[in-house]
Amino acid sequence: EAGVVQSPRYKIIEKKQPVAFWCNPISGHNTLYWYLQNLGQGPELLIRYENEEAVDDSQLPKDRFSAERLKGVDSTLKIQPAELGDSAVYLCASSLGPGNTEAFFGQGTRLTVV
Amino acid sequence: AQSVAQPEDQVNVAEGNPLTVKCTYSVSGNPYLFWYVQYPNRGLQFLLKYITGDNLVKGSYGFEAEFNKSQTSFHLKKPSALVSDSALYFCAVSFTGGGNKLTFGTGTQLKVEL
Repeated sequence: EAGVVQSPRYKIIEKKQPVAFWCNPISGHNTLYWYLQNLGQGPELLIRYENEEAVDDSQLPKDRFSAERLKGVDSTLKIQPAELGDSAVYLCASSLGPGNTEAFFGQGTRLTVV
Repeated sequence: AQSVAQPEDQVNVAEGNPLTVKCTYSVSGNPYLFWYVQYPNRGLQFLLKYITGDNLVKGSYGFEAEFNKSQTSFHLKKPSALVSDSALYFCAVSFTGGGNKLTFGTGTQLKVEL
């Protein structure tokens, strides 16, 4: 069974440019998460989807970040415009749904803003 | 509200010795507790979880964790550490009535030395 797939693995962009990350969750997983992880720190939730509905986006900086999960499967996370402080690893995860099930993580996208 | 604390930034242990990585939590319902491990430049890998039942849960790679409700703790343990166990370990929590929101601790770097 394929795991959570993220692309690209690495991205370097200049500040003020736009960037997008893509995530394909495990088949059948209704819950999809986007986390931000700074070096040596724990993941911080940006947004959580239940199917195609964003049910928790309170930590998403909506002035520059946006996300979508069309048809409740794949998801994209976009930053426009990027700032130097956005440099981090962006992790996507998925789970079957209930809070007692574990989430499975992709390898992440390492973003460097220069 | 929910939170997780990992009081130790780093734990050092000699190979063959037992190891413990500490985690305490705070939730407003019954907790669901998870441990994940992260190797350099990799995503998070699920190790084990506590949902209900026996307080001692066993997981991958010989790891186990003990749930203690009175102390609100969920410490990760292994009877005999290996050098290959050296990695970053994260505790995470969700809870009944909290939807699928998964909150992570700040992580503990485990270093196992010969």
